[in-house]
Amino acid sequence: DTVLTQSPALAVSPGERVTISCRASESVSTGMHWYQQKPGQQPKLLIYGASNLESGVPARFSGSGSGTDFTLTIDPVEADDTATYFCQQSWNDPSFGGGTKLELK
Amino acid sequence: EVQLVESGGGLVKPGSSLKLSCVASGFTFSSYGMHWIRQAPKKGLEWIALIYYDSSNKYYADSVKGRFTISRDNSKNTLYLEMNSLRSEDTAMYYCAKEEYTTDYSFAYWGQGTLVTVSS
Repeated sequence: DTVLTQSPALAVSPGERVTISCRASESVSTGMHWYQQKPGQQPKLLIYGASNLESGVPARFSGSGSGTDFTLTIDPVEADDTATYFCQQSWNDPSFGGGTKLELK
Repeated sequence: EVQLVESGGGLVKPGSSLKLSCVASGFTFSSYGMHWIRQAPKKGLEWIALIYYDSSNKYYADSVKGRFTISRDNSKNTLYLEMNSLRSEDTAMYYCAKEEYTTDYSFAYWGQGTLVTVSS
């Protein structure tokens, strides 16, 4: 199984730039996707294929990486971005990272 | 508009069975693979099962293999998850999700989820 590792939490101020990382236990090429989940809601796709912005998602969100190391960037961060962010790989049987909880100062 | 609506969750005792349903609309259900994904309370997401568009292949996470069965009825636009020998660790929100090959097999569409609680 492909294990995805994310840092558990981050705190940033509105207007700043934040990067959320995800490391895979083996190469997943560019088969990495990012989701935002707010309390009581289902996850929402933000980025697919490592760097492609899902339709309707603000351009403040971007993704990069390939192989084993991936990054989700939010620039600038807004108050509404408070949420948990999950990475997910589709190169092998699907698996998710543990999530990074983003809080605003 | 793609819609996925899960149902069938509830409170059950350890060792019992439950069958979840997911009714799909807004797309040609019979052309897409479908997944079940779960999320334990205040925990992360866990993929648990995939069924091909024509039911020709089914895949399961090790945590549910042999206990859960994914199936579909394309004539009813409905996806199912039959869960047997339920354990406390199966307590979670269960989501169905549509496979989306146009977005590199990410999960662009999710239902709102149905809650399964396994407790004595």
